[in-house]
Amino acid sequence: QSALTQPASVSGSPGQSITISCTGTSSDVGGYNFVSWYRQHPGKAPKLMIYDVTNRPSGVSNRFSGSKSGNTASLTISGLQTEDEADYYCTSYSSSSSHYVFGTGTKVTVL
Amino acid sequence: EVQLVQSGAEVKKPGESLRISCKGSGYSFTSYWISWVRQMPGKGLEWMGRIDPGDPGDSSTNYSPSFQGHVTISADKSRTTAYLQWNSLKASDTALYYCATHYYYYYAMDVWGQGTTVTVSS
Repeated sequence: QSALTQPASVSGSPGQSITISCTGTSSDVGGYNFVSWYRQHPGKAPKLMIYDVTNRPSGVSNRFSGSKSGNTASLTISGLQTEDEADYYCTSYSSSSSHYVFGTGTKVTVL
Repeated sequence: EVQLVQSGAEVKKPGESLRISCKGSGYSFTSYWISWVRQMPGKGLEWMGRIDPGDPGDSSTNYSPSFQGHVTISADKSRTTAYLQWNSLKASDTALYYCATHYYYYYAMDVWGQGTTVTVSS
């Protein structure tokens, strides 16, 4: 099972918007609306930021939004802040053996 | 408060066995899946597998093909604890391991443990 494909790095200035892509196949991203996004700061456990493609957990800023088109999901961070500098991972449910697959991860840098 | 607390760091030699734990509290342990996730040094997250702590049968676990046969995931309802076990460790098992539960959202890992570092070295 191959990892979902994410860009290695994305950067933006404070206040700008950035988008991180997550490309899979029809067996995972394209086949289910069960894509989640996680933020991980150095030395910390991951934190859920988006679930089921577009939904924000309670307490997560509305600057974070998710979408999907075909086999590619996306996470958009608007109004970029220094605290957004972290690694971001997508994950999707996969029909293969009823399991999950993570993305390769994207390092977000706030310039 | 829903919480997962993992066991402490381990240092082992190749070929040794190991079981690390993840204790759930503040919720009905048997009602929600628990997943295990690996993060090798400087690398990304990898989903290893999950268990339904409330299902006593063999169908209670799903494994990633990458980890099937290399690790065993189990749970003890009476202790509200999930486990990740190796019978024969390799140096390549050196990593940080997280447990996470699917508490609020069925298809997302929404509450995470603090992680357990496993170092395998001769």
